[in-house]
Amino acid sequence: AQSVAQPEDQVNVAEGNPLTVKCTYSVSGNPYLFWYVQYPNRGLQFLLKYITGDNLVKGSYGFEAEFNKSQTSFHLKKPSALVSDSALYFCALSGTGRRALTFGSGTRLQVQP
Amino acid sequence: GAGVSQSPSNKVTEKGKDVELRCDPISGHTALYWYRQSLGQGLEFLIYFQGNSAPDKSGLPSDRFSAERTGGSVSTLTIQRTQQEDSAVYLCASSPDPTYTYEQYFGPGTRLTVT
Repeated sequence: AQSVAQPEDQVNVAEGNPLTVKCTYSVSGNPYLFWYVQYPNRGLQFLLKYITGDNLVKGSYGFEAEFNKSQTSFHLKKPSALVSDSALYFCALSGTGRRALTFGSGTRLQVQP
Repeated sequence: GAGVSQSPSNKVTEKGKDVELRCDPISGHTALYWYRQSLGQGLEFLIYFQGNSAPDKSGLPSDRFSAERTGGSVSTLTIQRTQQEDSAVYLCASSPDPTYTYEQYFGPGTRLTVT
């Protein structure tokens, strides 16, 4: 069985500071990892993905994520947070034999002005 | 272009009634997924359709839940004899490619409230 863990329910950061939202995973075989963001009363919006290749993946709105195979992690990062980044962030995983996404529990990011 | 659309956006129903939720995927997308988002359970996979293949129903929580996809496009999720624990946001997603590597595009969801 595959699983995703997001250990922080909420992350608070000041505007202009760097942010990190943590994600670890468990899967047999190669992981395919995704980050999605959800704004209030909206569906999920794709941010970025890791499939293969460079461990540092760049995505939308200045976000990036680092894949670390030895630590089975895929943390989301941004060098300088904006108030408008405040939202709910989900890490997700698909893997061989399962096309549907397995989601983490979500992390609420709050960026204070 | 148009994204994934879902209807209704909100549905309030009485316990024991049947409900139908509709999803219109992005044109040309062959893969279609239903998920459920609830406070207690987070985001759960329900069912997956790919072309004319038999759907993957492994996530359906009970036999009260069913779904169909007509003509490889529109999908309807039906919940029979609704229960209060069915209250959740039901999200539909589509993808142009059935492989594991392609991102999914989500609709805005249908918020179901069972009273």
